[in-house]
Amino acid sequence: AQSVTQLDSQVPVFEEAPVELRCNYSSSVSVYLFWYVQYPNQGLQLLLKYLSGSTLVKGINGFEAEFNKSQTSFHLRKPSVHISDTAEYFCAVRGGPSGGYQKVTFGTGTKLQVIP
Amino acid sequence: NAGVTQTPKFRVLKTGQSMTLLCAQDMNHEYMYWYRQDPGMGLRLIHYSVGEGTTAKGEVPDGYNVSRLKKQNFLLGLESAAPSQTSVYFCASSYVQANQPQHFGDGTRLSIL
Repeated sequence: AQSVTQLDSQVPVFEEAPVELRCNYSSSVSVYLFWYVQYPNQGLQLLLKYLSGSTLVKGINGFEAEFNKSQTSFHLRKPSVHISDTAEYFCAVRGGPSGGYQKVTFGTGTKLQVIP
Repeated sequence: NAGVTQTPKFRVLKTGQSMTLLCAQDMNHEYMYWYRQDPGMGLRLIHYSVGEGTTAKGEVPDGYNVSRLKKQNFLLGLESAAPSQTSVYFCASSYVQANQPQHFGDGTRLSIL
């Protein structure tokens, strides 16, 4: 079965510092990769997605992610974080060897805490 | 454009009671999903639907039932609520194409006493 691993459950970082949130997935077939952000008491919102082509994907709010097929990783980065980036971030994979493209598998999430 | 709307937003039930959560989307999406979110466990798929009149089990379907009588609505039912079903429930919808993201509602916070 498809799996998504977000190793860091919490990441504290000072305001204006860079941050990287890690995501690794397991799949031997083509998949589509997404990062979502969840602010307190809200649903998930799309941050960015990787479909094909360039391995560097730019999203909203200054975030970007790099797809690495050999390492099956899709890490999220931001060069300078703001207080408003405090939220929980989820990596998600659509597709895989067993379930076609109907289902989406989510990681367990990483809480980004931006410290003033 | 409302997107995905979930009702109710909050609910407290007693063990053994039943209830139905409603999800409505106005984007003409074919696929709809119900997830539960618990601390440290991410989102776990309960049931999903690939079209009107069709439903399928997800990762944690026990204790839940669903129905999709209309394309725009996806109902999640708890027949006999248990404390283990205390959670935040999210509905999502998407187009059929695999490169399309899911759109989420704001969630229903359910407590079972």
